[in-house]
Amino acid sequence: AQKITQTQPGMFVQEKEAVTLDCTYDTSDQSYGLFWYKQPSSGEMIFLIYQGSYDEQNATEGRYSLNFQKARKSANLVISASQLGDSAMYFCAWGKLIFGQGTELSVKP
Amino acid sequence: GAVVSQHPSRVICKSGTSVKIECRSLDFQATTMFWYRQFPKKSLMLMATSNEGSKATYEQGVEKDKFLINHASLTLSTLTVTSAHPEDSSFYICSALAGGNTGELFFGEGSRLTVL
Repeated sequence: AQKITQTQPGMFVQEKEAVTLDCTYDTSDQSYGLFWYKQPSSGEMIFLIYQGSYDEQNATEGRYSLNFQKARKSANLVISASQLGDSAMYFCAWGKLIFGQGTELSVKP
Repeated sequence: GAVVSQHPSRVICKSGTSVKIECRSLDFQATTMFWYRQFPKKSLMLMATSNEGSKATYEQGVEKDKFLINHASLTLSTLTVTSAHPEDSSFYICSALAGGNTGELFFGEGSRLTVL
């Protein structure tokens, strides 16, 4: 069975600091990659960043970057220079169908 | 980027009635759409895969007679919650696949269903 695990139900970070959200994957299907989504309180899912399973370099997208460690099967999201608007639920997902449990990030002023 | 629209965003209904939720891809054609259910502060659980012109594929444990899915066109999939009960109250989200099986996934805004 394929499984995505986010072990941090809630995280706090001070505004302007960096924060790392953990995600590990246990899948046999390597044809997809790993996605990170942000879900604010309004409910919509916002795509943040994608890492292909065969990509060697860590993906980056503005203030978002992935710390992708294949041997550990982890793809942690790093948000640099946190902003108040970053407060939301964050989900990692494998392929298009399997989501982790989510991490609620709260940015403190 | 591509846009997927869900309607209604919020709906309140009485127990025993049926509710239809629409998912539209506004600027692309989607042969495949997905329906998810999400409880507060919980993960998205895939309910079914909706394929244009064919029957939906339901995940284990999802009652297909309860959650009717129709994907009659390349831009519209509908989820009908039949004979709704309070335990069906939830946040329902759709997503649409753009560009074939390897394409990008775009999400609707979600629909919050409350059954009284």
